[in-house]
Amino acid sequence: GQNIDQPTEMTATEGAIVQINCTYQTSGFNGLFWYQQHAGEAPTFLSYNVLDGLEEKGRFSSFLSRSKGYSYLLLKELQMKDSASYLCAVISNDYKLSFGAGTTVTVRA
Amino acid sequence: IAGITQAPTSQILAAGRRMTLRCTQDMRHNAMYWYRQDLGLGLRLIHYSNTAGTTGKGEVPDGYSVSRANTDDFPLTLASAVPSQTSVYFCASSDSGESDEQFFGPGTRLTVL
Repeated sequence: GQNIDQPTEMTATEGAIVQINCTYQTSGFNGLFWYQQHAGEAPTFLSYNVLDGLEEKGRFSSFLSRSKGYSYLLLKELQMKDSASYLCAVISNDYKLSFGAGTTVTVRA
Repeated sequence: IAGITQAPTSQILAAGRRMTLRCTQDMRHNAMYWYRQDLGLGLRLIHYSNTAGTTGKGEVPDGYSVSRANTDDFPLTLASAVPSQTSVYFCASSDSGESDEQFFGPGTRLTVL
């Protein structure tokens, strides 16, 4: 099976930066996704990494190190609306997406 | 219809009953997926379809069946529901099924008593 680990919960202050780590052990690797999911809603796409390095998209950035089986999602200038669950997902050799359990981020004023 | 829709929004079902969850997309995506989401376990793939006429098993297929008669529709059937199938079910679609992002429907909250 696939093993994808991320912290269960994180709390940060409005305007701050939070880094959500994700480590994975999977049967091969064909890419890593980050999704955002607000409570009671569907997941929505944030980022996709397939090569090592940093991908920046506005206030959100995602980093990948394939040799270390490691990724992080960086959320800058936190806003209250960023309170949500953040899901790390890996595409393995069979091209199926396996999800971590998700990290619930709470932004406080 | 805009994007991907699911029906019903929620359902309470007696154990042993048969239930079909509906999923329709209008994006002409080739690939479609069914996931269940349980607290602490994240999203788990039940079944998938890479293109109309084909289906495959995911991580947790037992007790579920799917069909893909056309591009737009991908129903999920519970032949005889059990309480352990209480969950939130999400349908998703993607253009090619490989590295493309998946678009998720709003989910169906199913309770089996």
